[in-house]
Amino acid sequence: GAGVSQSPSNKVTEKGKDVELRCDPISGHTALYWYRQSLGQGLEFLIYFQGNSAPDKSGLPSDRFSAERTGGSVSTLTIQRTQQEDSAVYLCASSLDPLAATRREQYFGPGTRLTVT
Amino acid sequence: RKEVEQDPGPFNVPEGATVAFNCTYSNSASQSFFWYRQDCRKEPKLLMSVYSSGNEDGRFTAQLNRASQYISLLIRDSKLSDSATYLCVVKPPAGGTSYGKLTFGQGTILTVHP
Repeated sequence: GAGVSQSPSNKVTEKGKDVELRCDPISGHTALYWYRQSLGQGLEFLIYFQGNSAPDKSGLPSDRFSAERTGGSVSTLTIQRTQQEDSAVYLCASSLDPLAATRREQYFGPGTRLTVT
Repeated sequence: RKEVEQDPGPFNVPEGATVAFNCTYSNSASQSFFWYRQDCRKEPKLLMSVYSSGNEDGRFTAQLNRASQYISLLIRDSKLSDSATYLCVVKPPAGGTSYGKLTFGQGTILTVHP
């Protein structure tokens, strides 16, 4: 079946502009996660959605970052007034309910490579 | 101290070699542990979960030492196709709001050469 998809695959933007990154999770997955991976850094958790619960936003680095998940499916990560340090690969993942079993695998999308010039 | 720390690598080994990666984690209440594999410019994929009693999947063996907060991955009879970055991953205990979050180590680069 279809995996996690993300768009765009690459995005180049000028400093100060806003960007929107999209994630389509695997159908039926109730949990959706955003991570980012910067050059020389590990994967960094950003935000987690589970069903209708309030999202865990503890990883968002600043108030310029926000995310929505509409209808329990597609998610959009928005970065306002982009800065050069926002340049990274933004990865989305989805899983079945992690509370139902401790070892729910997270399936990652191919990522969006964001470059802020 | 980082939440999850790994051997920095890189490891360069010949085909057929045995190689071991180590990882330590700081939160003693961590619930679940995994090894993910990430190929160059690709997304991470689950390699295997790590169980308390240790577990094996073909040429791969994972071990967990809760007392020392230490995880390891052993690869036997290395293949060229094993070349990748190996990520140690830790999940917090159930009940907290961050339960879904995975914490990744920096990754260890493995290159297997002919």
